[in-house]
Amino acid sequence: EAEVAQSPRYKITEKSQAVAFWCDPISGHATLYWYRQILGQGPELLVQFQDESVVDDSQLPKDRFSAERLKGVDSTLKIQPAELGDSAMYLCASSLGSGAKNIQYFGAGTRLSVL
Amino acid sequence: KNQVEQSPQSLIILEGKNCTLQCNYTVSPFSNLRWYKQDTGRGPVSLTIMTFSENTKSNGRYTATLDADTKQSSLHITASQLSDSASYICVVSDTSSGGSYIPTFGRGTSLIVHP
Repeated sequence: EAEVAQSPRYKITEKSQAVAFWCDPISGHATLYWYRQILGQGPELLVQFQDESVVDDSQLPKDRFSAERLKGVDSTLKIQPAELGDSAMYLCASSLGSGAKNIQYFGAGTRLSVL
Repeated sequence: KNQVEQSPQSLIILEGKNCTLQCNYTVSPFSNLRWYKQDTGRGPVSLTIMTFSENTKSNGRYTATLDADTKQSSLHITASQLSDSASYICVVSDTSSGGSYIPTFGRGTSLIVHP
């Protein structure tokens, strides 16, 4: 069964360092999402792509976070510089489209610890 | 601001018992409501999805209901199993002006099933 691939699974970094996460969606999925999930809370949408275009990035802290999906397939989320409060699980999800009944399929996530 | 509230925050039941999880939302304009199951350290997995015209949807032992008038949903789990131990997340999407469906996640209900 096709899955959303994310790497790395775990990342430990020191504050002020740069980190990057990678996501490869299910083949053919046009819509890609990045979420941040703090322990004990639900995921928070950071950015949504439709193909290579950003549909919504209103919750993305643009002073330190950036996301790209240059060819409309895989995507990278970057944080520079990382802060202690960035410690969380970063989830990537994809769906065939952004229509009402499109199911989002989630990857296993990247757990970030900022020391 | 769109909000999704879930209750209870956590729940402990004995194997074989039934339970019901609640979700109240203030998302507008409403597009769809989904329930996800998230095992510890994993990404969420879709259980059910309902649009405005649907008031019940089943997936095996999981049955979701939707009352669009009161803006409430419930997830009923029948004959619980140890593998049902997980976080259950309610997600409500609105219809943005651009035609996309922006999700708002609840914080989840943590369910523990004891033998």
